[in-house]
Amino acid sequence: AQSVTQPDIHITVSEGASLELRCNYSYGATPYLFWYVQSPGQGLQLLLKYFSGDTLVQGIKGFEAEFKRSQSSFNLRKPSVHWSDAAEYFCAVGAKSAGNKLTFGGGTRVLVKP
Amino acid sequence: DGGITQSPKYLFRKEGQNVTLSCEQNLNHDAMYWYRQDPGQGLRLIYYSQIVNDFQKGDIAEGYSVSREKKESFPLTVTSAQKNPTAFYLCASSIGTENQPQHFGDGTRLSIL
Repeated sequence: AQSVTQPDIHITVSEGASLELRCNYSYGATPYLFWYVQSPGQGLQLLLKYFSGDTLVQGIKGFEAEFKRSQSSFNLRKPSVHWSDAAEYFCAVGAKSAGNKLTFGGGTRVLVKP
Repeated sequence: DGGITQSPKYLFRKEGQNVTLSCEQNLNHDAMYWYRQDPGQGLRLIYYSQIVNDFQKGDIAEGYSVSREKKESFPLTVTSAQKNPTAFYLCASSIGTENQPQHFGDGTRLSIL
């Protein structure tokens, strides 16, 4: 069965600093990978997705993620965070064998210091 | 604008009572999903449906029931058998093919009186 681990429960970053959120997955074949963001009391918004091809994918709000098969990772990055980036971030993996079901990581809560 | 509408935003349940959470989408998506989110945890799949009149149990289906009589609608009933129903419930939909992302509603927060 597929699984997703987000090792960092909380991250605090200063406004203007860079941000990297870690995501490790477990799946035998090439997975479909997603990053979502959730503001308090809201639903999830898709930031970016990886299916195949170029391993560096660009998303909305200035985010990017890099798929590294050898490390089973799909880390999310942003060069310069804004106060509005404070939210919870979820990595998710889908698999061909699982239809369109997604497995989510536990999430990383990002706090932005002024 | 197309999207997913969940209602109500807040819901309170008395002990022994069944409650139904509404989820409607106008995205013409085939697949719909219900997730439960507890504080500090990720999303756990309750039920999903890939086509009208068909649905499958997810990882935590006990104490919940669903129906899919229309493509646009996928209501979730939290029954009295669900002993710990307090949580944030999220509905999602997708085109239904393997690699398509899911789109989420804004959630319903259920609390026990």
